[in-house]
Amino acid sequence: DAKTTQPNSMESNEEEPVHLPCNHSTISGTDYIHWYRQLPSQGPEYVIHGLTSNVNNRMASLAIAEDRKSSTLILHRATLRDAAVYYCILSNQGGKLIFGQGTELSVKP
Amino acid sequence: KAGVTQTPRYLIKTRGQQVTLSCSPISGHRSVSWYQQTPGQGLQFLFEYFSETQRNKGNFPGRFSGRQFSNSRSEMNVSTLELGDSALYLCASRTTGLVNEQFFGPGTRLTVL
Repeated sequence: DAKTTQPNSMESNEEEPVHLPCNHSTISGTDYIHWYRQLPSQGPEYVIHGLTSNVNNRMASLAIAEDRKSSTLILHRATLRDAAVYYCILSNQGGKLIFGQGTELSVKP
Repeated sequence: KAGVTQTPRYLIKTRGQQVTLSCSPISGHRSVSWYQQTPGQGLQFLFEYFSETQRNKGNFPGRFSGRQFSNSRSEMNVSTLELGDSALYLCASRTTGLVNEQFFGPGTRLTVL
């Protein structure tokens, strides 16, 4: 299983954009890039996924480098509710997600 | 649509006992995956079931087993409990396909004394 590297923690101010980086230099051609987040005392929650092109949904945007060795999750306007651990995961087997340590995002009012 | 439900939510057992946890997926979802979450190891994949067959398995000892029923409900069993099995056990369901978002339940908090 390909590995991802994320910063342990990041801080953001409320209503400002947040860019969460992820390195995955050993990504294979069939690996999708997934992002999940886990709010305190809850199960993980799907955020977004992509393969090669940048992706947008109502929660966030995913920017994927041209060589696919890194990606960035973008929260356009952070809210207090966005404080969570964010996981960047590579997978080509839909039901099997290998979680790393993730990035703990704190949002200051 | 109801979300993924897990029962029981909390459980206390003693070493050597066995335990069965239950997961009801979202209606229409045929894939159920199980994960263990501990402070030390983080979130670890246990196994995935689809159409009553185990499709993927993580790196856990044989004491951890699971099954899936024809209505897609799933159970996982841990035999001969050890202190290190204390964890939050999460199940997630999804529709079929190579890449689909997984919907996680609230988890079962297992404490082994």
